[in-house]
Amino acid sequence: AQSVAQPEDQVNVAEGNPLTVKCTYSVSGNPYLFWYVQYPNRGLQFLLKYITGDNLVKGSYGFEAEFNKSQTSFHLKKPSALVSDSALYFCAVRDMADSSYKLIFGSGTRLLVRP
Amino acid sequence: KAGVTQTPRYLIKTRGQQVTLSCSPISGHRSVSWYQQTPGQGLQFLFEYFSETQRNKGNFPGRFSGRQFSNSRSEMNVSTLELGDSALYLCASSWTRLAGGPGTGELFFGEGSRLTVL
Repeated sequence: AQSVAQPEDQVNVAEGNPLTVKCTYSVSGNPYLFWYVQYPNRGLQFLLKYITGDNLVKGSYGFEAEFNKSQTSFHLKKPSALVSDSALYFCAVRDMADSSYKLIFGSGTRLLVRP
Repeated sequence: KAGVTQTPRYLIKTRGQQVTLSCSPISGHRSVSWYQQTPGQGLQFLFEYFSETQRNKGNFPGRFSGRQFSNSRSEMNVSTLELGDSALYLCASSWTRLAGGPGTGELFFGEGSRLTVL
């Protein structure tokens, strides 16, 4: 069965500092991996995805993520955090062999960037 | 290009009633998925439709149903509402290849319909 773990309920970081939001996954086959962000009372916005190829994926708003197959991780990173990055972040996985678009989401990590 | 549109955005129902939520996908997207988001259970997959056919279904009771129309618009229905059905219901659409294959594309989400059951 597929699963996603986001071990931190909340991450606190000062503006201008680098940030990391952790994600580990479990799938039976090869994964498609995604990061989404959610602002209060809004839907989810796509940030980036890993399909294949380069393990470092660059996405929207300066975010990037590193795929590590041996550690089954897909951590989200940003070199310099902004107060406006404060939001709820979700990691998601889909098995490449799945013919549908079903995503399994992690429990979410709240990012708080203090000025 | 317009995004995914969900209506209504907010609604209040009482236990035992039923509700229908609507979703218009991004033009050209033929796959529509529905998710339920609650503080306790997080984001849970309800079902996915492609070309008016349900392609996958999550672990929800039969009170939860959906359908997709020929123009790819989708509706979901919840009958005999329970207090625990209070949630944000999110619709997402995605592009697919003509043959219906999953492609590698991400899901594009609407703003959601927030249902409160009293």
